[in-house]
Amino acid sequence: GNSVTQMEGPVTLSEEAFLTINCTYTATGYPSLFWYVQYPGEGLQLLLKATKADDKGSNKGFEATYRKETTSFHLEKGSVQVSDSAVYFCALSDNSGNQFYFGTGTSLTVIP
Amino acid sequence: NAGVTQTPKFQVLKTGQSMTLQCAQDMNHNSMYWYRQDPGMGLRLIYYSASEGTTDKGEVPNGYNVSRLNKREFSLRLESAAPSQTSVYFCAGGETGHTYGYTFGSGTRLTVV
Repeated sequence: GNSVTQMEGPVTLSEEAFLTINCTYTATGYPSLFWYVQYPGEGLQLLLKATKADDKGSNKGFEATYRKETTSFHLEKGSVQVSDSAVYFCALSDNSGNQFYFGTGTSLTVIP
Repeated sequence: NAGVTQTPKFQVLKTGQSMTLQCAQDMNHNSMYWYRQDPGMGLRLIYYSASEGTTDKGEVPNGYNVSRLNKREFSLRLESAAPSQTSVYFCAGGETGHTYGYTFGSGTRLTVV
């Protein structure tokens, strides 16, 4: 079956630190992979995506590369800001496109 | 430019009461979804509608019913609320096809006492 596993949180970083949030997946076929961000009190927003192996998704300084050989889609940012404090969800969409599978979320707090 | 709108934003119910969560989208999405979000469990799919006139069960459908009223609207009904249904509920819209992401509403925080 399809599933997503992401690193446990919470994660606390100082401003300008490097961020990595690990995400691995199990899927049949060729899924698309996504990172969503949820700010306090809000719904999830699409942050970036990659639809095939070796694709790199990027947005707002965040990047993630679709690694089929390691079944991973780790989220990275070179220099985090206080405004990046949020919960980050890794997700995959199966070939049918009818269902997303979400990880449990990783809470990030960036302190000045 | 509302995207996906959910009402109400907050609700408190007594055990056994019923209510309907409303969701409307103005993005012309074919597919709509209802998720619940619980601490440590991420988002779990309750029901989805791949197109107008169709609905299908997701991972956790028990205790819920849905109606895809038209292309814009997809409601979630709790017939007899239970404390286990205390959660944050999110509606989302999207397109069939696995390369598209979803657009989420801002959520309904439901407490059942």
